[in-house]
Amino acid sequence: DIQMTQSPSSLSASVGDRVTITCRASQTISRYLNWYQQKPGKAPNLLIYTASNLQSGVPSRFSGSGSGTDFALTISSLQPEDFATYYCQQSYRTPLTFGGGTKVEIK
Amino acid sequence: QVQLVESGGGVVQPGGSLRLSCAASGFIFSSYGMHWVRQAPGKGLEWVAFIRYDGGNKDYADSVKGRFTISRDNPRNTLYLQMNSLRAEDMAVYYCAKDLGVAAPPDSFHMWGQGTVVTVSS
Repeated sequence: DIQMTQSPSSLSASVGDRVTITCRASQTISRYLNWYQQKPGKAPNLLIYTASNLQSGVPSRFSGSGSGTDFALTISSLQPEDFATYYCQQSYRTPLTFGGGTKVEIK
Repeated sequence: QVQLVESGGGVVQPGGSLRLSCAASGFIFSSYGMHWVRQAPGKGLEWVAFIRYDGGNKDYADSVKGRFTISRDNPRNTLYLQMNSLRAEDMAVYYCAKDLGVAAPPDSFHMWGQGTVVTVSS
């Protein structure tokens, strides 16, 4: 199975900060990497697919980059509604696997 | 708009069975692969199973293989998950999710239901 490792597992940031979350795959996955946002008690929401494609309706302050084994999700200017947990997920092969999550908290 | 509504969760004893359903609307259900994804209390996300748009291909996580069965009824726009031999570690919120691509291999989880809670306890 392909293991996905996210870092950090949590971070504290202020509104307006630039935030970057990284995700590393245990083997190359080309650009088959997706990012999700999950708020407490809610289902996840797809933000980015195929490494850098912004899902319709997602604010442009979210961006994704990377290929191979190393990927990043960047929030250019953190907004109050962005405080949530973020997950990466590989779709290179089944079993589809997720990273452990990064909780973004208010500083 | 796309809507996915899960049902069928509840409390079951270890070794018991449960069938989850997911009613889909707002898109051409028969054109998309569908998934089940679960989340144990306070934990991360775990992919459980995938079924191709026509039901012709199914795939499972090793943790549920041989115990869970995914199926679909395209005329009824409904996805199912039959769960047998349930264990304590199967306790979670179960989400159904629509794949992003049309008639495509398993990829990303484009839209999600609100989830249904499965509790395994004696």
